[in-house]
Amino acid sequence: TQLLEQSPQFLSIQEGENLTVYCNSSSVFSSLQWYRQEPGEGPVLLVTVVTGGEVKKLKRLTFQFGDARKDSSLHITAAQPGDTGLYLCADITSGTYKYIFGTGTRLKVLA
Amino acid sequence: SQTIHQWPATLVQPVGSPLSLECTVEGTSNPNLYWYRQAAGRGLQLLFYSVGIGQISSEVPQNLSASRPQDRQFILSSKKLLLSDSGFYLCAWSTGQGDEKLFFGSGTQLSVL
Repeated sequence: TQLLEQSPQFLSIQEGENLTVYCNSSSVFSSLQWYRQEPGEGPVLLVTVVTGGEVKKLKRLTFQFGDARKDSSLHITAAQPGDTGLYLCADITSGTYKYIFGTGTRLKVLA
Repeated sequence: SQTIHQWPATLVQPVGSPLSLECTVEGTSNPNLYWYRQAAGRGLQLLFYSVGIGQISSEVPQNLSASRPQDRQFILSSKKLLLSDSGFYLCAWSTGQGDEKLFFGSGTQLSVL
């Protein structure tokens, strides 16, 4: 069974700081996704990465997929209070429609 | 456009009582449907998923069951709730047509007392 471990578990930073969170898989990703979830809501997809070494940018967010496709990082530049939330990585198990989620990183950005 | 409805938003139930959570999707046909459970501030645990009417895959042996009586309706049930069934329950759908991603409902916060 694939396991997705995220680190750190919690992160509290000041507005304007930079941060990086990580997602590591026990097996090769089929298709890595990052979601953000706000309290009391369902997660919302931020990005999908498929190719090893791929880098995608979404405004101040930079997503990197490891060359071996077993790890990924999410870097946020100049964090804002609106970035506060739970960041989740996910994979869809090859040959199925089953989505597995990571343990999550809870980010709090203080104004 | 597609929308997903999940209700109720919050639910407080006594131990041993039954449970029925309903999820419906509008604006799409033959979606893949999912039930997840989330402990406070943590990741999502896949409970059930369905790729068609009457087709249910169970991921975690537990006190819960799921049914899909109609194409766009997914129901999570229990005959007798346990304290450990408390949590945030999320319904989600995907197209199953490639370029996959999940669209989530707004969740049900279940407290079993």
